[in-house]
Amino acid sequence: DAKTTQPPSMDCAEGRAANLPCNHSTISGNEYVYWYRQIHSQGPQYIIHGLKNNETNEMASLIITEDRKSSTLILPHATLRDTAVYYCIVKIRGEAGNQFYFGTGTSLTVIP
Amino acid sequence: EPEVTQTPSHQVTQMGQEVILRCVPISNHLYFYWYRQILGQKVEFLVSFYNNEISEKSEIFDDQFSVERPDGSNFTLKIRSTKLEDSAMYFCASSPSRQGVSPLHFGNGTRLTVT
Repeated sequence: DAKTTQPPSMDCAEGRAANLPCNHSTISGNEYVYWYRQIHSQGPQYIIHGLKNNETNEMASLIITEDRKSSTLILPHATLRDTAVYYCIVKIRGEAGNQFYFGTGTSLTVIP
Repeated sequence: EPEVTQTPSHQVTQMGQEVILRCVPISNHLYFYWYRQILGQKVEFLVSFYNNEISEKSEIFDDQFSVERPDGSNFTLKIRSTKLEDSAMYFCASSPSRQGVSPLHFGNGTRLTVT
């Protein structure tokens, strides 16, 4: 699986958009980008995933660059409850392994 | 929204004792996983389980560990003889299909403390 690079920490003002970047320059054509978050010591929570098109759901938007070497998770209106560690994971589709590899992620702090 | 439930939320045991951590995956899911997270460290894969057998396991999942789906709803992780270094949060997860596209749904974990 391709490695990812994320900034270790970020701050965001409450109500503003939080933009969390992720570099995955060695991603291959059949690898998906997934985002999870972990609030305090709770279980990781799935947020969104995509292959090459931008994706949006009720939680967030995922913007993937045309060359797929990087992506950005956007929380449109961050709240205090969005304070968490955010993990960007690239994962091959299909048979090549069953596990997600969680890195160290980005610790997002939403400031009142 | 259906969720993965884990019990107990906190388990304290003495070194050398056996522990069983329990999980109830989401009812229509077919693939089951255990992950662990030592305090302050990364979330690490332990094992995946499908069709009543282990699909994959990591180096961490040695002979001290076993998994079982004893009935149609529970999925358990047994540690035969606990060590101090087994102290961690243990997360169960399930998915409706292989991880290729389907995301995992995690429970809120069992905190295991080995004294």
